[in-house]
Amino acid sequence: DADVTQTPRNRITKTGKRIMLECSQTKGHDRMYWYRQDPGLGLRLIYYSFDVKDINKGEISDGYSVSRQAQAKFSLSLESAIPNQTALYFCATNRDRAYEQYFGPGTRLTVT
Amino acid sequence: QKEVEQNSGPLSVPEGAIASLNCTYSDRGSQSFFWYRQYSGKSPELIMSIYSNGDKEDGRFTAQLNKASQYVSLLIRDSQPSDSATYLCAVSGFYGGSQGNLIFGKGTKLSVKP
Repeated sequence: DADVTQTPRNRITKTGKRIMLECSQTKGHDRMYWYRQDPGLGLRLIYYSFDVKDINKGEISDGYSVSRQAQAKFSLSLESAIPNQTALYFCATNRDRAYEQYFGPGTRLTVT
Repeated sequence: QKEVEQNSGPLSVPEGAIASLNCTYSDRGSQSFFWYRQYSGKSPELIMSIYSNGDKEDGRFTAQLNKASQYVSLLIRDSQPSDSATYLCAVSGFYGGSQGNLIFGKGTKLSVKP
């Protein structure tokens, strides 16, 4: 079984809709991250959480919110989706005091 | 603004050749360095980590680090078509008041021709 899972894997939604992307991990890691990836722009950090009570904005948090429901679960919400949020979204995790991150399989989101 | 720079490529090498991928970083305080491989449409996969100056070898992969020059490289020996992917360089950083984050380069696309 995969250590880091993301649901859904693919999603098409309409402008203005609220959508939630979910991430779960069985690695026992404290730290979790949400990135988006766009062609030519690389990975950009949206939000990160070092533990359940710690949530931090990343490079591009506008238009997004997150919830850390448990050590193993970290959700990303788009309150009102817009077409330029069409991208590949990745969740990642790592241990406290370690830097190497492990990625989930990704969610391909299309906003029409 | 902390930065990690990579040549976007594509870098094209014949099968069996050595592929050399390079990365420079701006934060002299960075201590940990990683290479990820990403196939098209898939998630990044960690393939190498390096923490001290010099070379680190793992199978056909060798990571090289020169902190004085702020330079990291990845060599792939005996390149195979299955090595065709985008390679992301990642460097530990102090982001937004928090240690523990990685700063990623935009990646170099490698194409290995049979």
